Amino acid sequence: DGGITQSPKYLFRKEGQNVTLSCEQNLNHDAMYWYRQDPGQGLRLIYYSQIVNDFQKGDIAEGYSVSREKKESFPLTVTSAQKNPTAFYLCATDGGRAFFGQGTRLTVV
Amino acid sequence: RKEVEQDPGPFNVPEGATVAFNCTYSNSASQSFFWYRQDCRKEPKLLMSVYSSGNEDGRFTAQLNRASQYISLLIRDSKLSDSATYLCAVNPGTASKLTFGTGTRLQVTL
Repeated sequence: DGGITQSPKYLFRKEGQNVTLSCEQNLNHDAMYWYRQDPGQGLRLIYYSQIVNDFQKGDIAEGYSVSREKKESFPLTVTSAQKNPTAFYLCATDGGRAFFGQGTRLTVV
Repeated sequence: RKEVEQDPGPFNVPEGATVAFNCTYSNSASQSFFWYRQDCRKEPKLLMSVYSSGNEDGRFTAQLNRASQYISLLIRDSKLSDSATYLCAVNPGTASKLTFGTGTRLQVTL
């Protein structure tokens, strides 16, 4: 079954802790994106990658890091530098139009 | 000016009404346009692509106006189940990033 898999679905982070959100795709798409969505708000672009081993900062990259070592995978690390990480995180690929994973809901405890 | 702008709403309409949303974009070279629907606490899902000649899918009609740089979504005979947030997306072209508007919230009431 083709698609995008994000894990975990829910994630709890302690203050000062780094956490990594997984995004895997089997659609063979080159471009992958990470978005953040706060309650009642739109999608804000964190990072995107057009090709393996290359990625660019989006509008709100501070406090986040990514890697793109494989075409299928684009993990996002939320670092301790991100002071307000509680949000809904969406991974997407671009195959002519955007395909989304089901999202990870991150909460700071 | 933001790359893609939408009126956040909310649009509150009675069941059976016709409602229209617009989405403006700043890059005149943009090539692909889409409307997504997002239900509360879920991921966005493609509602329809927007073609230059306009296109229709049941009660939904999408239009592109390149001269004024906006796309529109018209929903006829609104249903309660149409209540959601509608996001527009614009792709400037090859090797460019897909950009989303902030979304327009629609609430259809009895």
